Amino acid sequence: TQLLEQSPQFLSIQEGENLTVYCNSSSVFSSLQWYRQEPGEGPVLLVTVVTGGEVKKLKRLTFQFGDARKDSSLHITAAQPGDTGLYLCAGRFGGGSQGNLIFGKGTKLSVKP
Amino acid sequence: KAGVTQTPRYLIKTRGQQVTLSCSPISGHRSVSWYQQTPGQGLQFLFEYFSETQRNKGNFPGRFSGRQFSNSRSEMNVSTLELGDSALYLCASSLFTGRETQYFGPGTRLLVL
Repeated sequence: TQLLEQSPQFLSIQEGENLTVYCNSSSVFSSLQWYRQEPGEGPVLLVTVVTGGEVKKLKRLTFQFGDARKDSSLHITAAQPGDTGLYLCAGRFGGGSQGNLIFGKGTKLSVKP
Repeated sequence: KAGVTQTPRYLIKTRGQQVTLSCSPISGHRSVSWYQQTPGQGLQFLFEYFSETQRNKGNFPGRFSGRQFSNSRSEMNVSTLELGDSALYLCASSLFTGRETQYFGPGTRLLVL
């Protein structure tokens, strides 16, 4: 059974601080996605990483896919209250169906002004 | 282009009842997936429909069922509701099945009393 573990589960920081969220698995994934979900809404895709060692940047967010494609991290620089939300990672272990996308339980981030 | 819409947004039912949730995908999208989200288990895949055919099914009991219509709209049904079925039910659509990017709706929050 493929499992994705995210850490930390909860994170409360002050505006302007930096933070890193981790996503780990014992399985190799063909790709990994990061989503952000705000209260009362569905998850919104932030990025997809495919190649081991790949780094992608989205403004103040930096995403990294591990060399072995078993782990990933999300780093936020100078966090802002608008970054508050649930961050989910999702690993894909095959093609053919959306059912091959496994989600972690998420990291709930709160950024206080 | 309108996003994924789900109705109703909120629902309260009692144990033993049944419920039907509806999802209208983004125009032109032919794949619809359903997920159950709870604090304890996170986001779990229920099933995926593509061109009116179920492509994949998650590890849920037979009380959970779904269907897709020729216009790609989808419904999911839960019969004989249990307290543990209380959750946020999310629908996601994509152009095709497989590795396509999914776009989530806002979800239907179901409370079973």
